[in-house]
Amino acid sequence: DVKVTQSSRYLVKRTGEKVFLECVQDMDHENMFWYRQDPGLGLRLIYFSYDVKMKEKGDIPEGYSVSREKKERFSLILESASTNQTSMYLCASSPRQGADIQYFGAGTRLSVL
Amino acid sequence: SQQGEEDPQALSIQEGENATMNCSYKTSINNLQWYRQNSGRGLVHLILIRSNEREKHSGRLRVTLDTSKKSSSLLITASRAADTASYFCATDEQAGTALIFGKGTTLSVSS
Repeated sequence: DVKVTQSSRYLVKRTGEKVFLECVQDMDHENMFWYRQDPGLGLRLIYFSYDVKMKEKGDIPEGYSVSREKKERFSLILESASTNQTSMYLCASSPRQGADIQYFGAGTRLSVL
Repeated sequence: SQQGEEDPQALSIQEGENATMNCSYKTSINNLQWYRQNSGRGLVHLILIRSNEREKHSGRLRVTLDTSKKSSSLLITASRAADTASYFCATDEQAGTALIFGKGTTLSVSS
């Protein structure tokens, strides 16, 4: 069965901290994605990756970076967390190039105080 | 670059009734997908319909696609309390890699 695992369900951090959100998929998928979800704004794409060490900016990359050193793992990094980055973060993966079906993790609810 | 827009934003029905949600989009697509999200969880894929298809069924779900009107609808028949969730449509920009999600319809089914 398809599995996308996000390392934390809930996370509380202080302003200015460096934050790592980890995502692992066990399906040998090519593509991985990071979204944030906010009330009234829906899902917004932060970054995606279509191959190891490759990354593409999404709609709202500012304040974030990503790392994909291995095919199964895609990390989202908040270099210096700010209160406006308090949100639900969702990781997803898909098998092939093109807009394929995406498989989502359970999400990480991040609060920055 | 948000493309899909669901309508209505919220829908409340009784168990056993049908629920219809609509999605409109702006540019040409290769396919359109519907996802469900239970409260505080990740999204789950429900159904994918390709641009050359007009209708697709999966269990109690029926999806239609009208490319001339750039719209799709999701019908859930004989709703159950367990169908309570948010429903999102997602489209692809042609030759794109990423999906673009709408803001979702929140469905509440009461028993």
